[in-house]
Amino acid sequence: AQSVTQPDIHITVSEGASLELRCNYSYGATPYLFWYVQSPGQGLQLLLKYFSGDTLVQGIKGFEAEFKRSQSSFNLRKPSVHWSDAAEYFCAVGTGTYKYIFGTGTRLKVLA
Amino acid sequence: DSGVTQTPKHLITATGQRVTLRCSPRSGDLSVYWYQQSLDQGLQFLIQYYNGEERAKGNILERFSAQQFPDLHSELNLSSLELGDSALYFCASSPRLAGRDEQFFGPGTRLTVL
Repeated sequence: AQSVTQPDIHITVSEGASLELRCNYSYGATPYLFWYVQSPGQGLQLLLKYFSGDTLVQGIKGFEAEFKRSQSSFNLRKPSVHWSDAAEYFCAVGTGTYKYIFGTGTRLKVLA
Repeated sequence: DSGVTQTPKHLITATGQRVTLRCSPRSGDLSVYWYQQSLDQGLQFLIQYYNGEERAKGNILERFSAQQFPDLHSELNLSSLELGDSALYFCASSPRLAGRDEQFFGPGTRLTVL
């Protein structure tokens, strides 16, 4: 069955530190992969997406993610976290048709 | 601003009541999705419509129903409300019926059932 796993429910980092949020998926074919961010009281906003080609994709707000087929992973990274990055982050998989599966989310806390 | 609008922003009602949540997708988007987000359940996909037709169902209760109208706006109807239905309800839209499309989310409707 298709699934998306975000193993970290909460992550706390200091401002200026690097960040990596993990995402693993289960899907038979090459999926379409997305990372969304949800700030408090807001809807979700797309950070970046991967369809094909270069496995390292750049997104908004200085985020990047790397698709690793062998590990079925699509981890989100940022070299230096800002206090405004505190939010909840969702990984999502889109299949060849219209099905869309979200992970359970990782809540990021940033320490000043 | 994603271009997706949802009304009302907040809704407070009592158990057993019925409410209707409204969503207007981005101009030109044919797909509309409804999600429920609560503290204990996370983000749950409820239902998807494409150009007026239901195309996918998720964890939607039988007490809930939805429709998409010819002008592409959508409504989510919640009836016989229970305390546990208190949540944030999001609508999202995308251009086509395709898993490769980004979804554009509205600001949500916060439902409180007392």
